[in-house]
Amino acid sequence: ELKVEQNPLFLSMQEGKNYTIYCNYSTTSDRLYWYRQDPGKSLESLFVLLSNGAVKQEGRLMASLDTKARLSTLHITAAVHDLSATYFCAVGSNDYKLSFGAGTTVTVRA
Amino acid sequence: GAGVSQSPRYKVTKRGQDVALRCDPISGHVSLYWYRQALGQGPEFLTYFNYEAQQDKSGLPNDRFSAERPEGSISTLTIQRTEQRDSAMYRCASSLDQRAANTGELFFGEGSRLTVL
Repeated sequence: ELKVEQNPLFLSMQEGKNYTIYCNYSTTSDRLYWYRQDPGKSLESLFVLLSNGAVKQEGRLMASLDTKARLSTLHITAAVHDLSATYFCAVGSNDYKLSFGAGTTVTVRA
Repeated sequence: GAGVSQSPRYKVTKRGQDVALRCDPISGHVSLYWYRQALGQGPEFLTYFNYEAQQDKSGLPNDRFSAERPEGSISTLTIQRTEQRDSAMYRCASSLDQRAANTGELFFGEGSRLTVL
């Protein structure tokens, strides 16, 4: 059974500082996804990482994938308030099934 | 519609009652998925449809849970004889096809929050 672990589960960020969320998974996969969820809203796709060494960046967020270490990171640069949300990583375990981590709830304070 | 639509958004029911949750995927989307998300957890896979065919129901917790998609569009997730442990957010997602889903073109609905008293 594929297990996906995220840490930290809660992250209080100070505006302007940098932070990293980690996503470890237990079995081989070459598909890793990051989602954002705002309270009461749906899951919004942020990044899709499909190969070892893949790096994607969008604004203050950057995601990377190391399939050998079974590790993905989501790096936040110079946090701002509108990044407050819950972030999930998900790993593709077969042709269609996603296994999600428990999520990291991010709060950005002034 | 513009996105994946789910109804009802909120459902409160008494233990032992049956509930039906509806998912209207994005028009033209062949693949449809149901996930369940408990409070403070990530979504967990329940079942997957390709057109009207249920390809995988391995995530359905027990035989009280069933799903159908008779015409390859709208899907219904039915929970019979609900129990308090069934309380969760039930999310539907759709994609144009499986290849599109694998490349990230997977769209989630806002979910149906079920509370069983």
